[in-house]
Amino acid sequence: DIKMTQSPSSLSASVGDRVTITCRASQTINSYLNWYQQKPGKAPKLLIYAASSLQSGVPSRFSGSGSGTDFTLTISSLQPEDFATYYCQQSYSTKTFGQGTKLEIK
Amino acid sequence: QVQLQESGPGLVKPSETLSLTCTVSGDSVTSDSYYWSWIRQPPGKGLEWLGYVFQIRSTNYNPSLKGRVSISIDTSKNQFSLNLRSVTAADTAVYYCAREAEWRLLGAFYFDSWSQGTLVTVSS
Repeated sequence: DIKMTQSPSSLSASVGDRVTITCRASQTINSYLNWYQQKPGKAPKLLIYAASSLQSGVPSRFSGSGSGTDFTLTISSLQPEDFATYYCQQSYSTKTFGQGTKLEIK
Repeated sequence: QVQLQESGPGLVKPSETLSLTCTVSGDSVTSDSYYWSWIRQPPGKGLEWLGYVFQIRSTNYNPSLKGRVSISIDTSKNQFSLNLRSVTAADTAVYYCAREAEWRLLGAFYFDSWSQGTLVTVSS
């Protein structure tokens, strides 16, 4: 299986901050990388697919980049509703997820 | 707009079979555009993809489940189902059903719609 490693595992930030979460794959996955947001007690929600494509209805403050093994999710200006856990997921082979990054209010 | 709703028992005994059903509305489980998947999340932990069914007969499963899993479609009810055999406490998790889309230009797959999730506990 391809192992997905996110960093950091947790992050404290303030409303208005610019935040970056990274995801590294154990082998190349081209651009087959997706990002999800999960709030407590809720299902994950797709934010970004194919590394950099914004899902319909997702605010433009979310953006993704990268290819090969290294990827980033950036939130340009944190809003109160963005405090959640974020997961990356690869679809290059048997689908696997990162361990998650919990974004908390500072 | 597609909606997915899972149903099934919330408690299963060890060594028995966990069975869940996902009812789909707003789309067809026989669509040639989407794959229908099961994903789980143990309490306080990360996400694990279990497998998918596509157009009734095509299936793909996570090898980590060692042949314990099967997924099938009921076209008459527009549902797809999960069976996980020989369960242990390690199978305790919130189970989600999800629709997987493909961006055919790139061959990229992603889960674009999810159910709310149901907690299944394995305990005697």
